[in-house]
Amino acid sequence: GQQLNQSPQSMFIQEGEDVSMNCTSSSIFNTWLWYKQDPGEGPVLLIALYKAGELTSNGRLTAQFGITRKDSFLNISASIPSDVGIYFCAGPPKAAGNKLTFGGGTRVLVKP
Amino acid sequence: DAGVIQSPRHEVTEMGQEVTLRCKPISGHDYLFWYRQTMMRGLELLIYFNNNVPIDDSGMPEDRFSAKMPNASFSTLKIQPSEPRDSAVYFCATSDRGRSWETQYFGPGTRLLVL
Repeated sequence: GQQLNQSPQSMFIQEGEDVSMNCTSSSIFNTWLWYKQDPGEGPVLLIALYKAGELTSNGRLTAQFGITRKDSFLNISASIPSDVGIYFCAGPPKAAGNKLTFGGGTRVLVKP
Repeated sequence: DAGVIQSPRHEVTEMGQEVTLRCKPISGHDYLFWYRQTMMRGLELLIYFNNNVPIDDSGMPEDRFSAKMPNASFSTLKIQPSEPRDSAVYFCATSDRGRSWETQYFGPGTRLLVL
């Protein structure tokens, strides 16, 4: 089946740092979504991207829809402790009907 | 808006017992999705409804799982009989086709532990 590969799988952040993560697919996606999941909660939608090349911001978050349609990037600027959590990319594979595929997630942790 | 509401938030049961998970979608949303999340398999779609009609249940693991949506404001996911391998977090998510079915809004989840 379709797979979305996220990297890195986990990362440590220090307050004030910029953070980057990405998501790649072997096939074309027409929509890319980025979610964040806090411990004990459901995923919360951060950004939705609908056009190749699109760059969209939501506060300190910026996401881009890759021009190949096979990847997407999420950047967090000037990270703060509440940025800790798991970030998921998701998208609907072509011909999959109204179904989303989710990546395995990037776990963001605070440096001790 | 109250968001997607799920109950119970936590459920501990013994193997063989019936488990019923409940979901109230965001008002006006016509898509409803049931997901299961585990460490090993991540987020998996079990079944989804459009306008209360089940559209795709290919993700339902086996006949022990069933889901219903009797009206636009309520859905259930039932496991009978439950097994330890069913232990997971079950999420309900809803979306509005008028805006974009892809932008799904998740509930807080039900954490199920089957002993």
